Amino acid sequence: EVQLVESGGGLVQPGGSLRLSCAASGFTFSTYSINWVRQAPGKGLEWVSYITSSSSTIYYADSVKGRFTIFRDNAKNSLYLQMNSLRDEDTAVYYCARTYPGSNSWYNFDYWGQGTLVTVSS
Amino acid sequence: QSALTQPASVSGSPGQSITISCTGTSSDVGNYNLVSWYQQHPGKAPKLMIYEVTKRPSGVSNRFSGSKSGNTASLTISGLQAEDEADYYCSSYAGRTTYVVFGGGTKLTVL
Repeated sequence: EVQLVESGGGLVQPGGSLRLSCAASGFTFSTYSINWVRQAPGKGLEWVSYITSSSSTIYYADSVKGRFTIFRDNAKNSLYLQMNSLRDEDTAVYYCARTYPGSNSWYNFDYWGQGTLVTVSS
Repeated sequence: QSALTQPASVSGSPGQSITISCTGTSSDVGNYNLVSWYQQHPGKAPKLMIYEVTKRPSGVSNRFSGSKSGNTASLTISGLQAEDEADYYCSSYAGRTTYVVFGGGTKLTVL
């Protein structure tokens, strides 16, 4: 069974840093592209970042570019999101989501974790 | 403010059909046949229901169908069932700088 389990969320002050993790199991993690998608409380979804299986290609949403860094460790079946210079508007549930392999495009997400809540507040 | 515009809510009775619209621009929905739809039940992770406008992943009921005309994409659910009650989000590819945009979501109520 495909599983994605996020961790690392919590309360952080504006300007602070946090590192999220996503532990994958039930599939060959090293062959899949993965994304981070977030959802502010009571709001819609927002794509955050994308990384290919080999980390050769990485994309970021403009809203996090220069502040967030996505990376992965295929030996540990894990994905990470290093978040720096956090702002109030970064408050959200952060999901890791696998790119659906059944299409030719990377922006369809077939398996998602349950999410981890990041709260940025003083 | 979400990039794609969806109605906040729609409703229908069991057995009926409903359609949820998703309006973008010529930079996203109108320029690419790359619209996806997700279903999200309260407290749960989203589920991919439609991709590339009309395609269904394996395991998704054929009661769900997608279409597009110009800058507006649509999700139609036929034969409404109680378990279809959920939030629905559209998304679209938006080019090599913006990448992916989502709609604000539509709450479907099955009466």
